This record gives sequence, C-alpha cells and structure tokens, in this order.
Amino acid sequence: AQSVAQPEDQVNVAEGNPLTVKCTYSVSGNPYLFWYVQYPNRGLQFLLKYITGDNLVKGSYGFEAEFNKSQTSFHLKKPSALVSDSALYFCAVRDMANTPLVFGKGTRLSVIA
Amino acid sequence: DTAVSQTPKYLVTQMGNDKSIKCEQNLGHDTMYWYKQDSKKFLKIMFSYNNKELIINETVPNRFSPKSPDKAHLNLHINSLELGDSAVYFCASRDADTQYFGPGTRLTVL
Repeated sequence: AQSVAQPEDQVNVAEGNPLTVKCTYSVSGNPYLFWYVQYPNRGLQFLLKYITGDNLVKGSYGFEAEFNKSQTSFHLKKPSALVSDSALYFCAVRDMANTPLVFGKGTRLSVIA
Repeated sequence: DTAVSQTPKYLVTQMGNDKSIKCEQNLGHDTMYWYKQDSKKFLKIMFSYNNKELIINETVPNRFSPKSPDKAHLNLHINSLELGDSAVYFCASRDADTQYFGPGTRLTVL
C-alpha cells in the first residue's frame, strides 16, 4: 500500500526567501507524485506532478519539485516566497494509473512580510 | 465554465436526517471520486467510480451511498446523519493522470 509523509506541520518563511515543503513517499511500484494547494475555505488546486521524465518538474505559480528516487522524496520548492503563497500544501501519491491518490497530512505554509 | 462543481457549498442539518450532495464535472473524464476531509484536514478516499461503475468503496458506513446517473455526475447520499459525519466532502474527477477537485461541501451535523 502506498503512503505519504509530510514531516512538518508548519513551515514559516520570510517573503522573498526560498521555501521548501518536504514530502517522502512509499509505493510498491513506480510512483505518480503530485502537489496540491488548499487556500482557506477552498478546494484543492493542482500545482504539479511527476509521472516520468526529468526529475525536476515545474508547476503553477513558480513552484517546482524534485523527484529523488533513492531518497523516495518529492520536495516542493520555490525560489522566492510570496505572502500570497500562504496556504495548506498536500503531497499525494499513487502507484498505478487507476488507483486513487493517497494524501499526506498537509503542511501549512506561512509567508511573513 | 467551472470544471468540477458541487452543490450545496454549505449544509447544516440535524442528526438523523438524510441529505444529498451533488457533483458534476464538465471535463469529459471517466473517473470520479468522493473524498472526506476531517477537522484536522486529513483527506481520505471514500468512493471511486469509473464510467458510472463503482470501482473502490473504502471502509465507509453503508449509510453513505454514491449514485452516478451518468459519467458526468457523482452524487453522495447520506442516511441517518451522525455528529461524526461533520466534515468537508470533496468530489474529484481524473484525466489520464491528474485529479481535479471541486470546491467542497461543508457538512455540519447538529
């Protein structure tokens, strides 16, 4: 069975600084990896995904993530944080095309002006 | 032109009542899901449908019954509501790889 760990409940970063939100995963086959963002009282918005190909994937709003197979990680990054990036971020994984996503518990990102 | 829509957005009801949440997607996807997000923001899959057929039914009380009249719609009916059913319920649909979520329905059982 697949699982996702987001080790940090909260990440605080100053505006303009780089940010990293951590994610590690466990699957039995090749992973399909995703990041979603949830703003207060809103649904989940898709940010980016890794299915195959380049280990560095770029997504919406300037976010990117790096797939590291040996460390089973898929950390979310952004070079320069904005206050408007403050939200709840979810990492998700599945191991086969037809299985539903399994989500991590979420990491709350707070960007301070 | 909303991709995945849900109604209602908020639902407040008494214990023991029966209620339904509707979901529609205009993306042409074959696969749809219901997820539950609890008060701690944990997201858990409830049901998965592919082309109107139930594929996955996780450990969910049988008071919850999904219905898919066509592949663009996946409704969730809940009988005999309990306090513990209070949560945000998200519908999603999926293309080849990616799931797209609706805005959620916040259910409060009093």
